Amino acid sequence: QQQVKQSPQSLIVQKGGIPIINCAYENTAFDYFPWYQQFPGKGPALLIAIRPDVSEKKEGRFTISFNKSAKQFSLHIMDSQPGDSATYFCAATGAARQLTFGSGTQLTVLP
Amino acid sequence: GAVVSQHPSWVICKSGTSVKIECRSLDFQATTMFWYRQFPKQSLMLMATSNEGSKATYEQGVEKDKFLINHASLTLSTLTVTSAHPEDSSFYICSASVRAETQYFGPGTRLLVL
Repeated sequence: QQQVKQSPQSLIVQKGGIPIINCAYENTAFDYFPWYQQFPGKGPALLIAIRPDVSEKKEGRFTISFNKSAKQFSLHIMDSQPGDSATYFCAATGAARQLTFGSGTQLTVLP
Repeated sequence: GAVVSQHPSWVICKSGTSVKIECRSLDFQATTMFWYRQFPKQSLMLMATSNEGSKATYEQGVEKDKFLINHASLTLSTLTVTSAHPEDSSFYICSASVRAETQYFGPGTRLLVL
């Protein structure tokens, strides 16, 4: 199975809140899990990525938590700001190096 | 670093014409480039994978005669939509691979076929 399931579809939080976006995969051959941020009318930008031998990775206000046994990973955005309002995509790739994207989460951070 | 550009950023054309979109890696050499299509409020769908100097590999359901891909150099790949029709209107995005798993995306090209 190549599918990556992402939830929720949309998320609204207050400024300073910690939105959490979840993804699940089935293909155990996936070995690289990036998160992308996309603003309207723009291409996706790489935020942070993790490999399955690590359970957590933090870069700035963005943290990935990875649960290999459950085949799940999530993105946490600390101290969220209105400028973080965007669509977030999780993705996964294996040996073929083709990205399989989740369906996306539209995040709105209220001032 | 790792900047990818696309040209044009948007294009409007008449039905039946062909449109060429360029994707360039500006500060690195990309052995592999990918072309995606994205409809409003939807995820990215991989159309094809392009390796420099070889034929592109198309995903199932993508017409290779309609979406011509050329990867002439390590910094340039082109997508030509031939005989475009209104249903081809979409947001086309390319990406380029530096290391094996990291893909950097271009800003996208919005195509509107009248």
